[in-house]
Amino acid sequence: GAVVSQHPSWVICKSGTSVKIECRSLDFQATTMFWYRQFPKQSLMLMATSNEGSKATYEQGVEKDKFLINHASLTLSTLTVTSAHPEDSSFYICSARDPGLAGRNNEQFFGPGTRLTVL
Amino acid sequence: SQQGEEDPQALSIQEGENATMNCSYKTSINNLQWYRQNSGRGLVHLILIRSNEREKHSGRLRVTLDTSKKSSSLLITASRAADTASYFCATDAKGGRRALTFGSGTRLQVQP
Repeated sequence: GAVVSQHPSWVICKSGTSVKIECRSLDFQATTMFWYRQFPKQSLMLMATSNEGSKATYEQGVEKDKFLINHASLTLSTLTVTSAHPEDSSFYICSARDPGLAGRNNEQFFGPGTRLTVL
Repeated sequence: SQQGEEDPQALSIQEGENATMNCSYKTSINNLQWYRQNSGRGLVHLILIRSNEREKHSGRLRVTLDTSKKSSSLLITASRAADTASYFCATDAKGGRRALTFGSGTRLQVQP
């Protein structure tokens, strides 16, 4: 199946700093990427939908000025957590969708996740 | 998006026993998918069932879907210690942005 990578796989940063997480589709073009967040022992919650070449759509309660999403190419979306605080510590997972591959099952391909720890 | 519910939240069984997890959701769907997640790791796609299907099998996995009750179940037969993980259902809602809505998850522990 198609492969999605995330970088870094884990990051530890000080409170107040910004962290950028990359999500790449390695062998297909992802017109849409989704960013999810997962707190410990909880489920995945959709944060935002990222469409190539346009502004991201954020879910209710997700601050767009804090979680900056850029989807400048068909293979790369980035999530920047600005002025990170300990409560932003979480597991961030992206998924990518290529309409040409998705078919009627809307197949999406998930990255391995990035664990962010803010001290 | 509103999350679905899964029960039980946690399940502990002996190796060789069957494990059943249930999922309820809120909206009309195109399909429902089950994923597995080992602790602190990424998601592994297990099986997808379309809204017009009622049952699907894949190896030791059996999934049912009841769209009238908006519910699904995942049965793992002859469980193994390696099946220990969290299991999530995820729905692809009709008319939605095509993002998946995940259930609350079931933590399965299979004792050797």
